[in-house]
Amino acid sequence: EPEVTQTPSHQVTQMGQEVILRCVPISNHLYFYWYRQILGQKVEFLVSFYNNEISEKSEIFDDQFSVERPDGSNFTLKIRSTKLEDSAMYFCASRETVGNTIYFGEGSWLTVV
Amino acid sequence: AQRVTQPEKLLSVFKGAPVELKCNYSYSGSPELFWYVQYSRQRLQLLLRHISRESIKGFTADLNKGETSFHLKKPFAQEEDSAMYYCALRVSGSARQLTFGSGTQLTVLP
Repeated sequence: EPEVTQTPSHQVTQMGQEVILRCVPISNHLYFYWYRQILGQKVEFLVSFYNNEISEKSEIFDDQFSVERPDGSNFTLKIRSTKLEDSAMYFCASRETVGNTIYFGEGSWLTVV
Repeated sequence: AQRVTQPEKLLSVFKGAPVELKCNYSYSGSPELFWYVQYSRQRLQLLLRHISRESIKGFTADLNKGETSFHLKKPFAQEEDSAMYYCALRVSGSARQLTFGSGTQLTVLP
């Protein structure tokens, strides 16, 4: 069964550094998402992306965050200048245009020190 | 704004016992509800969705619009059911993203 894949699985970075989290969505999917889960808290929606542009974003997704689909397969989340409170598990997800199910990747653990 | 509430952070039951994981929602539109499961160190996986009215791994969930609930039930819990369970509501709009509850950690004891 096709899967959403994410890299890295775990990254430690210093506060203020830029981080890029990478995702390869399922190949025939056209809607892409990033969610995050701070340790002990709920999974929160960050942003959705369709047709090479952001379609929805939450209040969490401020100017420090950006997303990009640099080629036909990758979907990246960039955090420009990381803060301690950005430490979380970041999940990428994708969805078919007509299907209902959103499929999740295994997540990337980001630790900001 | 939409909201999903899972009142129990932790739930423990013995193997073979019935289990019910509670989920309540608030949403002004027509709700679409899902249950996702996350086994230890694995990805979030769709368990079931209300529009399918299916039973997956013995689990069922019925949408009760009067009580705004979508509780997950299984008559006889198994040890392999131990996992984190998230109730989620899908909103209308072009992106149709999910709003998650805080999750319930189910532990099935031998």
